[in-house]
Amino acid sequence: EADIYQTPRYLVIGTGKKITLECSQTMGHDKMYWYQQDPGMELHLIHYSYGVNSTEKGDLSSESTVSRIRTEHFPLTLESARPSHTSQYLCASSDPRPSEKLFFGSGTQLSVL
Amino acid sequence: QKEVEQDPGPLSVPEGAIVSLNCTYSNSAFQYFMWYRQYSRKGPELLMYTYSSGNKEDGRFTAQVDKSSKYISLFIRDSQPSDSATYLCAMSARGNYQLIWGAGTKLIIKP
Repeated sequence: EADIYQTPRYLVIGTGKKITLECSQTMGHDKMYWYQQDPGMELHLIHYSYGVNSTEKGDLSSESTVSRIRTEHFPLTLESARPSHTSQYLCASSDPRPSEKLFFGSGTQLSVL
Repeated sequence: QKEVEQDPGPLSVPEGAIVSLNCTYSNSAFQYFMWYRQYSRKGPELLMYTYSSGNKEDGRFTAQVDKSSKYISLFIRDSQPSDSATYLCAMSARGNYQLIWGAGTKLIIKP
């Protein structure tokens, strides 16, 4: 069973606040990802990391930033939240083989008022 | 046009029915094909993984890939209410590790 944890599960916050979404995995995976998911829409990759001190932006433009100081930890930060950031944020890590089998956390549902 | 197309549903079938879920794609370079299941308010979980063409069976689930038609399918036999979820297809090309996702099909199994 995959061990990847996201906190908080739900977050309601006012416009302009700084927020950090936490993601940790205990599988020792080098590759980690952040996806954004809106109802009825595809998952969109917003950030990924292939290891410590490696971060890249994904296909979907995002005002968020990420860091990867430890293998197991991949937090996502929004410096100033806006209503347009309201979405579900999913963190994932992947099997080291080149098949991209992803293991997902349960997600953070973010609502910005 | 999207690289991966998937009917959003919802698809509602009675318990015990055989379910067929499908995705079409346009990129002939795709070689890795996956089906993920996502329950409400949860992250997706990998259900089936197939490399290149052919069939793969795992219990009640069968994944099929037809690269000539650029079409993949997931069959669920003896469907159960616990199979009610959104099913997402995903695929990638060899050497390009980023997945391209379908939008998901919502499946409802009625007792």
